[in-house]
Amino acid sequence: AQKITQTQPGMFVQEKEAVTLDCTYDTSDPSYGLFWYKQPSSGEMIFLIYQGSYDQQNATEGRYSLNFQKARKSANLVISASQLGDSAMYFCAMREETSGSRLTFGEGTQLTVNP
Amino acid sequence: GAGVSQTPSNKVTEKGKYVELRCDPISGHTALYWYRQSLGQGPEFLIYFQGTGAADDSGLPNDRFFAVRPEGSVSTLKIQRTERGDSAVYLCASSRFRTGRGEQFFGPGTRLTVL
Repeated sequence: AQKITQTQPGMFVQEKEAVTLDCTYDTSDPSYGLFWYKQPSSGEMIFLIYQGSYDQQNATEGRYSLNFQKARKSANLVISASQLGDSAMYFCAMREETSGSRLTFGEGTQLTVNP
Repeated sequence: GAGVSQTPSNKVTEKGKYVELRCDPISGHTALYWYRQSLGQGPEFLIYFQGTGAADDSGLPNDRFFAVRPEGSVSTLKIQRTERGDSAVYLCASSRFRTGRGEQFFGPGTRLTVL
């Protein structure tokens, strides 16, 4: 079974609007962390936001917030006030405590912000 | 400060040849990771170093792949008898901590093409 599932291969949003990128995960480990990374066309992976499985509140980092629904095993990324520079590939990833430090990535969502 | 650097940025080789890919992590980061990203997919874990030792090499696809980190800083990923299926972008990442938030910072990658 896929550990990280991103069901949206491509998403489009108008500049200045908000967009939600979906991520569901599968683990039996009680302790895990969820990450979102941005990969522009230049190729470099840029860390955006982190949510720990025991965190009580949803993570926020500037225009990025993580809608963490533990019972549903979802960790959706919300980008508010989209900018043209947000156009990129977005990856959801998980680190499970029992699997050491490795990150397991989903297949990504290509976000395009239209002017 | 300087980020993770990787050399070369591009490597073209012929099937059967030996290649070495280099990663220079962020200063002070004790954890170092190698991932492989095929076209249109998320990165896949290869190996993780904590200090000089390989703490987890379970992602290496076969014994043609080997990595070292002799002084706990720079790491080299070595691929023997390259095959066309080895063509991918090889990403290196480093982190200060392996637990908790411990976000991994990625380099720009080495694009390997095996002809």
